[in-house]
Amino acid sequence: EAQVTQNPRYLITVTGKKLTVTCSQNMNHEYMSWYRQDPGLGLRQIYYSMNVEVTDKGDVPEGYKVSRKEKRNFPLILESPSPNQTSLYFCASSLWDTSPLHFGNGTRLTVT
Amino acid sequence: KNEVEQSPQNLTAQEGEFITINCSYSVGISALHWLQQHPGGGIVSLFMLSSGKKKHGRLIATINIQEKHSSLHITASHPRDSAVYICAVNDMRFGAGTRLTVKP
Repeated sequence: EAQVTQNPRYLITVTGKKLTVTCSQNMNHEYMSWYRQDPGLGLRQIYYSMNVEVTDKGDVPEGYKVSRKEKRNFPLILESPSPNQTSLYFCASSLWDTSPLHFGNGTRLTVT
Repeated sequence: KNEVEQSPQNLTAQEGEFITINCSYSVGISALHWLQQHPGGGIVSLFMLSSGKKKHGRLIATINIQEKHSSLHITASHPRDSAVYICAVNDMRFGAGTRLTVKP
């Protein structure tokens, strides 16, 4: 089944404890991206990747890192999480940047 | 002013009604997406379009590039259509969403 898999679905952590949210797609898509969704602010793009080893900042990249060492995986790394990073996170992929987006199920992160 | 504006913010309809959700944008686009987010939180892509009109079942999406405006129509609405509908431009500029509730 074609899908984008995010893990974990829920995560509660403490300020400063490094964490990684994984994202994997099995559709051989070139383009992958990360978003956060907050009440009143909607969806905002964090980082995106047009291809392996190519990543770029979106609108809200501060406090996040990404890597794209293989086409299928695009992990989101929070080196030192802070409470303002409490949010619902989505990973998405598409064949290229002007193709329909396929979203993961989301990761609800709480930083205390 | 937001680069992507949706209206209305909230919409309540009776089952069977024809629904229209509007999206206006102020940036140049290569593609406009209509997304559906269900109460459980998952997001599904309904349409991606850069010109004209697309139809899938009871859903129709149109775009007018000159007027920088797109509409999502739902014909014969059903309670299972209840969701938040989000317009996105170039996959990185999002509208605030329209919360649709369809009552039986």
